[in-house]
Amino acid sequence: ETGVTQTPRHLVMGMTNKKSLKCEQHLGHNAMYWYKQSAKKPLELMFVYNFKEQTENNSVPSRFSPECPNSSHLFLHLHTLQPEDSALYLCASSQDGLAGAGGNTDTQYFGPGTRLTVL
Amino acid sequence: DQQVKQNSPSLSVQEGRISILNCDYTNSMFDYFLWYKKYPAEGPTFLISISSIKDKNEDGRFTVFLNKSAKHLSLHIVPSQPGDSAVYFCAAILYNQGGKLIFGQGTELSVKP
Repeated sequence: ETGVTQTPRHLVMGMTNKKSLKCEQHLGHNAMYWYKQSAKKPLELMFVYNFKEQTENNSVPSRFSPECPNSSHLFLHLHTLQPEDSALYLCASSQDGLAGAGGNTDTQYFGPGTRLTVL
Repeated sequence: DQQVKQNSPSLSVQEGRISILNCDYTNSMFDYFLWYKKYPAEGPTFLISISSIKDKNEDGRFTVFLNKSAKHLSLHIVPSQPGDSAVYFCAAILYNQGGKLIFGQGTELSVKP
């Protein structure tokens, strides 16, 4: 399998459930990202990991908990979500996630996303 | 405050004609700009990029133009094909903010046969 994969593709959960989203990249990249896309809004960056270390938390509520066990895998653990958290959650990776790396190494490659519905 | 804006939510073009997608930004310090294409039920796919030190980059049917004085970016697709129908996002990077991508809202392009 190539590129960036995400599972599950669709998820419906209640507000009291705990679930996890999984992302895997097969590109040998060092940086991974979680984005949220709500209807009619721009993609919003949630978290950034560089070499397994979290370098950005874009004021995301604690009910979203990321985990990056290695450079190829990224998880988003979900707990006690709200209906307004329903959105498309996208994972991306890039060769470098470092400032000043420049040019093509900053290009991010996206997975297909997980469509999350919170009831 | 949205730093990257795509003011046209949709655009319809006849097959074979030129599609022009526009993007405006407010921060003159952006270092690098990218265009992504997104089909329904798929993640965004990288299309073409341009460094802030250039004013044009071309790749096949796709050309991106950058006008730094106007803080304006455009993507030209010529000739347009029905398979180009998708949502197009422009994005910008600030290297001194850790290379964070800032996206516009997207423009839905429809190319009619």
